[in-house]
Amino acid sequence: RKEVEQDPGPFNVPEGATVAFNCTYSNSASQSFFWYRQDCRKEPKLLMSVYSSGNEDGRFTAQLNRASQYISLLIRDSKLSDSATYLCVVNIGDTDKLIFGTGTRLQVFP
Amino acid sequence: DTAVSQTPKYLVTQMGNDKSIKCEQNLGHDTMYWYKQDSKKFLKIMFSYNNKELIINETVPNRFSPKSPDKAHLNLHINSLELGDSAVYFCASSQGPLGPNWETQYFGPGTRLLVL
Repeated sequence: RKEVEQDPGPFNVPEGATVAFNCTYSNSASQSFFWYRQDCRKEPKLLMSVYSSGNEDGRFTAQLNRASQYISLLIRDSKLSDSATYLCVVNIGDTDKLIFGTGTRLQVFP
Repeated sequence: DTAVSQTPKYLVTQMGNDKSIKCEQNLGHDTMYWYKQDSKKFLKIMFSYNNKELIINETVPNRFSPKSPDKAHLNLHINSLELGDSAVYFCASSQGPLGPNWETQYFGPGTRLLVL
């Protein structure tokens, strides 16, 4: 079983739609969680950290469910510029080793 | 100003050759990393250095040798290149375990390596 699993997609949604991605992780000792965004042929960039209480940044909301070991990302009012691959990332323990999921591809169309 | 830079951006070479990729960060970070992203887009850590010391080595073949001359630079030398080494190699840096937001990693633009 992969340490971090995501549906690869693609998710094709119209502008203005709400879309949600889920991610599951296998190691219950995981301590920190993140969503990164990677545009085509570019480097990954941090989108947001994910906290137990859930957190929101504009149109983006991230949730963590430790009991079920999954993380979610909700994007409201999708924009064309949201088209990218969204990477679920987990840090296990006290090291700075990040485990990346394979990513979920989002394509927003006009 | 580029925060994390890598050279070269593209590298096409023959099997069996030796090549190096360079990485520099001007963020004042203590920790630097090398990642490999294969054709299936899976991003996997290879090495991590903190203040020039190796702290993560993820069962990478010993044909890959990282070198950190100072904490702002982490280079990757690859000997006897193989077809399977073709991938995008990303360098990244972070504040390190003792800094604020220490887990946030900043990535370089990547080096696209093609081994023929």
